[in-house]
Formats: sequence, structure tokens, C-alpha cells
Amino acid sequence: AQSVAQPEDQVNVAEGNPLTVKCTYSVSGNPYLFWYVQYPNRGLQFLLKYITGDNLVKGSYGFEAEFNKSQTSFHLKKPSALVSDSALYFCAVRDLDYGQNFVFGPGTRLSVLP
Amino acid sequence: ETGVTQTPRHLVMGMTNKKSLKCEQHLGHNAMYWYKQSAKKPLELMFVYNFKEQTENNSVPSRFSPECPNSSHLFLHLHTLQPEDSALYLCASSQDPGQGGYGYTFGSGTRLTVV
Repeated sequence: AQSVAQPEDQVNVAEGNPLTVKCTYSVSGNPYLFWYVQYPNRGLQFLLKYITGDNLVKGSYGFEAEFNKSQTSFHLKKPSALVSDSALYFCAVRDLDYGQNFVFGPGTRLSVLP
Repeated sequence: ETGVTQTPRHLVMGMTNKKSLKCEQHLGHNAMYWYKQSAKKPLELMFVYNFKEQTENNSVPSRFSPECPNSSHLFLHLHTLQPEDSALYLCASSQDPGQGGYGYTFGSGTRLTVV
């Protein structure tokens, strides 16, 4: 079975500081991992994905994420947060070998304070 | 715009009404999905269509009835809903879901309020 955990409901960070939004996953086979962002009253927008290759992936708006197989984690990071980064962030996983659909985490609300 | 269009953006309906949500994608994708997003709850996958065939129905009550006439259009027909059905309904599409490297493209959603 596939599952995704985002251990923090809410992350607060000051503008200009680095931010991290955590994600851990569980799959039986090899994972495809995605991050999405949702702004108020909008759908989810793709940020970045890990399929294979380099463990550090770079995505939209200066975000990056590091795939750590031993810790089954895929944390989202940004070196310098902007107020406009405030949104709801979702991690999603699909088991390449056994899963058909993505499983989404519960979401983490990021607030960047000016 | 993402290439996935949902209408209407907002809908208020009574419990005895019948209404439909529409989703249209111009991306040439083969699979389409309905998700329900309620406050304080994870995204709930409702229905999956792959090449117009329904491949998944996650124990959704029969008052929700999906329809996929072709790979570009997806409907969600609603009747005799309950107040707890109030939520943001999201449509998504993807390439062949058998190829996991493709993510989902989401529409902006329909905010449904049942009164």
C-alpha cells in the first residue's frame, strides 16, 4: 500500500529565511514523488517531481526537494522564503511497481511572515 | 490557465436540486479524475476514468454520478446532496496512468455549497 505523511499541519517562517516542508512516504516498490502547491480557491499546481536520477530536484519558483531513500523522505525546501510562497503544499507519491493512482498527503499550510 | 477548465466556479444548491459539474481538458490526456477537498481533510479520490472507461470508484455515494463521454470531458452529476457534501471539487487529468512519470494537471475547482 502507498501512503504519504506530512507531519506538520502548519509551518511559519519569516520572509528571507530558509523554509522546509516535510514529507515522508511508504511504498512497496519504487516511488514517484511530487510536490504541488495550492493557492486559495485554486486547484493544485505542479511544483516539482522526482522520478529517477539526481536526488536533488529543482522546480518552479526557486523550490527544490531532496529524495532520501534510506529515510523515505522527500522534503521541500527553499533558501529564501517570500510572502507570496504562503499557500497549502501537498506531497504525493505513486508506487511505480504497484500503484495506479497518486496518493496525496494531508497538506501543510505555509505562512511566510513579512 | 492549466489546460483543465472546470465550470461553474461556484455552485449553491438545495438538497432536492439536480446539478452537474463540468470538466474539460485540452491537453490530450487519457485519464481524468474527480477529487473532493473538504476543510481539514485530505484530498479524497472519487472517480477515475482511463480512456473513457471508469477504472475506480472509491465507495462514493450514488448521489454522485460521473459521466465521461470522451477523453476530453468529464461530468459529475449531483442529486439529493447533503450539507456535508459541501466542498471544493477538483478535476484533474494525466497522461496514461500506467506510466507513473506523469503528474496530474488540476483545474481550479468548483466550490459547492449545499443548503
